[in-house]
Amino acid sequence: SQQGEEDPQALSIQEGENATMNCSYKTSINNLQWYRQNSGRGLVHLILIRSNEREKHSGRLRVTLDTSKKSSSLLITASRAADTASYFCATAGGTSYGKLTFGQGTILTVHP
Amino acid sequence: KAGVTQTPRYLIKTRGQQVTLSCSPISGHRSVSWYQQTPGQGLQFLFEYFSETQRNKGNFPGRFSGRQFSNSRSEMNVSTLELGDSALYLCASSLAVDRNYGYTFGSGTRLTVV
Repeated sequence: SQQGEEDPQALSIQEGENATMNCSYKTSINNLQWYRQNSGRGLVHLILIRSNEREKHSGRLRVTLDTSKKSSSLLITASRAADTASYFCATAGGTSYGKLTFGQGTILTVHP
Repeated sequence: KAGVTQTPRYLIKTRGQQVTLSCSPISGHRSVSWYQQTPGQGLQFLFEYFSETQRNKGNFPGRFSGRQFSNSRSEMNVSTLELGDSALYLCASSLAVDRNYGYTFGSGTRLTVV
C-alpha cells in the first residue's frame, strides 16, 4: 500500500510557469525524497530533504517539509517542456533499510 | 561512471513459468533494492540486499525471491508466474552509508505474462 497521497494527480501548465506538487504521508520519517520518471522508464533522484530540515533548494527545484503536518511540496520554477514527466515523493523511515514508500505520483505536462 | 544496469529490458513469459531478472549496481554501491511498478498499485517495494544479506522485504508472496552476489550484483526470481505479475520491475542501488541517502534507479525490466 502507498504511504502517501500526491496532489494534484495531473497538472498541465505552459512553459515558463511554476509547477507545485504536494505530498502527504502517514508515519514518521527519516527523510523524504522526490523522483522524476519519464514515460515508464527508470526513476531519477531529484532531491532529498531530511526530517530535521524545512526547506531545500537545487537549481530550479524547491522542496519544503512540514513534519507536523506530515506533508511536503515540490516547486519547479520556470518550467520547461523537458520537465514533462511523472513526479513521485517517497519516504524513508525507521529501520526500514533500503525501503522507499512511494506516493501515487503527479503527472506534469508542460506545453511549449 | 556507469549507471544501474538491468537486463533484460523486455520479457514475455507464459503463466506458470519462472523468470530471473538481473541488476548490476553502480560500482561501490552495496545496497540494492527492487520495486514493482503497475498502473493499479503504483511503486511497491519488493526487497533490499546489502552485502549479500536481505535486510528488508515487502509484502509479496514467496514466489518472489532475490539474492545478491559478492560483487553486489543482484537477481530477482519470480516462480509460477501469474498474469498479475506483469509489471515494470525496477532496481535501485545506493552507497547506503547512512539512512539519509538517495537511490539510483535502473531503466527497468518490463515483464509481460501471457
